[in-house]
Amino acid sequence: GAGVSQSPSNKVTEKGKDVELRCDPISGHTALYWYRQSLGQGLEFLIYFQGNSAPDKSGLPSDRFSAERTGGSVSTLTIQRTQQEDSAVYLCASSLYEGDYGYTFGSGTRLTVV
Amino acid sequence: SQQGEEDPQALSIQEGENATMNCSYKTSINNLQWYRQNSGRGLVHLILIRSNEREKHSGRLRVTLDTSKKSSSLLITASRAADTASYFCASSNFGNEKLTFGTGTRLTIIP
Repeated sequence: GAGVSQSPSNKVTEKGKDVELRCDPISGHTALYWYRQSLGQGLEFLIYFQGNSAPDKSGLPSDRFSAERTGGSVSTLTIQRTQQEDSAVYLCASSLYEGDYGYTFGSGTRLTVV
Repeated sequence: SQQGEEDPQALSIQEGENATMNCSYKTSINNLQWYRQNSGRGLVHLILIRSNEREKHSGRLRVTLDTSKKSSSLLITASRAADTASYFCASSNFGNEKLTFGTGTRLTIIP
């Protein structure tokens, strides 16, 4: 597609439930990133995929968070046993690995845990 | 911790004036980028400056980079109401790998 697509755009879930957030990157972008942003805050790095390399998971805040990228394209971020502190906007971005192009971000998924 | 820190945290100026935002970072970088965010959702890439560059222009945007001071500035000239947004700097240690974002400057343009 023309841009990075994220779904759902909004998600309200009960504490303790699992959620899956989806990201469809720009075709041909080999790098895919997940960030989260709490209200009024900066972006917190979560995980990074580049081609067939092992993902950089160094930003995942706990083992309740996991992500996969199938076929080098679509990525799913899963949060198990959600907690209220998981409430945030989850942003996905993709990019070409090299070159001065920067990231292209999706519109994000606003997750609210009640 | 955040690699970049923006200054000021918030800025309000009259339409037509110039807006300057600053960013400091801690470690050596490959490039530094500026992004704009409207309404707390997706970010839009504005401009990228490489570590071996000192200044770059794009339309009404001017970015400077001082690697000796580990700082960058974003200048928006002749501001418009539509420039109202949050602006973030982000730095990369290698290529486009894992950008580290600053805390952002909230810019308000008063018509």
